Amino acid sequence: KNQVEQSPQSLIILEGKNCTLQCNYTVSPFSNLRWYKQDTGRGPVSLTIMTFSENTKSNGRYTATLDADTKQSSLHITASQLSDSASYICVVSRYNSGTYKYIFGTGTRLKVLA
Amino acid sequence: SAVISQKPSRDICQRGTSLTIQCQVDSQVTMMFWYRQQPGQSLTLIATANQGSEATYESGFVIDKFPISRPNLTFSTLTVSNMSPEDSSIYLCSVEPTGSYGYTFGSGTRLTVV
Repeated sequence: KNQVEQSPQSLIILEGKNCTLQCNYTVSPFSNLRWYKQDTGRGPVSLTIMTFSENTKSNGRYTATLDADTKQSSLHITASQLSDSASYICVVSRYNSGTYKYIFGTGTRLKVLA
Repeated sequence: SAVISQKPSRDICQRGTSLTIQCQVDSQVTMMFWYRQQPGQSLTLIATANQGSEATYESGFVIDKFPISRPNLTFSTLTVSNMSPEDSSIYLCSVEPTGSYGYTFGSGTRLTVV
């Protein structure tokens, strides 16, 4: 079954600290993996997109990793800021019979405290 | 990346009524996607809307309940018909323009049915 699981479900950290969010997937055939940030009451905003051959991709203080062998990805946030408080969603796409399907994880809700 | 204007941003509706949500994109796109995000849940694809053809609905969603229009390559509407409290969700439209960051989402419509 094609699934995307994220952990932890929620996380509270102090401003300035680093954190790592996990995403495990069983999607096949794999096309790409994306991380999104969703502020409360807003639409998701793309942070990174990674294909099968990419291991690491950075976007400012956000660094995503991908291990296609173990089907795991992580999103590392460096020097967290209050504005990082949001839900982070991992999305894996599969390409099958000429169409793309997108499988969404349930997200990690991050709270950054002053 | 594309910019999507989605409205209304929120609404409170009486059960049994209908609400039409609009999405306007600042560039032409082939496919537009409509998602639902129930409280505390991840995004679920409702349907894919191509210009000039009937929308393609995912399992569990039907045209009578969620009619979609796609009159041109920059605009789409989703109607939530005969609403019940179970329809209270965030509804999001999205597109996948060319580029490296994949999906772009509208800011969402927070619907509360009373």
